[in-house]
Amino acid sequence: ETGVTQTPRHLVMGMTNKKSLKCEQHLGHNAMYWYKQSAKKPLELMFVYNFKEQTENNSVPSRFSPECPNSSHLFLHLHTLQPEDSALYLCASSQEVRSTYEQYFGPGTRLTVT
Amino acid sequence: DAKTTQPTSMDCAEGRAANLPCNHSTISGNEYVYWYRQIHSQGPQYIIHGLKNNETNEMASLIITEDRKSSTLILPHATLRDTAVYYCIVREIYNQGGKLIFGQGTELSVKP
Repeated sequence: ETGVTQTPRHLVMGMTNKKSLKCEQHLGHNAMYWYKQSAKKPLELMFVYNFKEQTENNSVPSRFSPECPNSSHLFLHLHTLQPEDSALYLCASSQEVRSTYEQYFGPGTRLTVT
Repeated sequence: DAKTTQPTSMDCAEGRAANLPCNHSTISGNEYVYWYRQIHSQGPQYIIHGLKNNETNEMASLIITEDRKSSTLILPHATLRDTAVYYCIVREIYNQGGKLIFGQGTELSVKP
């Protein structure tokens, strides 16, 4: 148990659906992250939020829309996804974004787009 | 951030020390060495990090060569639960963006 929870753990959605992934951290951290892990590929950073402000968007398509209402919660809104978006989506948090602070990861949401 | 090179896979006998090498020959003076691991179907887990001195915590030891071009993560008494993919990452000290760049890592199999 890392103090970072993600729901749902598994999600199957069609290409025309709209769904949201939720991440919550109970560590009092100020930075939160979304990563994508596709099969046989390294983890890729998608978005970074620091004190609720988005500080990085790693050229992510607009069909992925993040939301950070407060420092403890992070959402990833999904719409009109493609089958190649099927992956493990991981949320992480850290005290701040500076590199001296390690990141704590949630268990991930396994997403399948049909 | 500098790139790292790790062996694709390694085996280790249960109870023995697991020594995982990492080459980071292009590391610069303002970059840390970080280690994370990812057990199957879980999120990555932070293990340890260092700048130039050797480091030890309850999980592992990190040995960094004097020229800082390589390092070794040591799990002193590997157990079956240490079977995972281990990632060596270098990261700027003053990185304000929070970015962790993961490579392919080393798949460590601990065998009975």
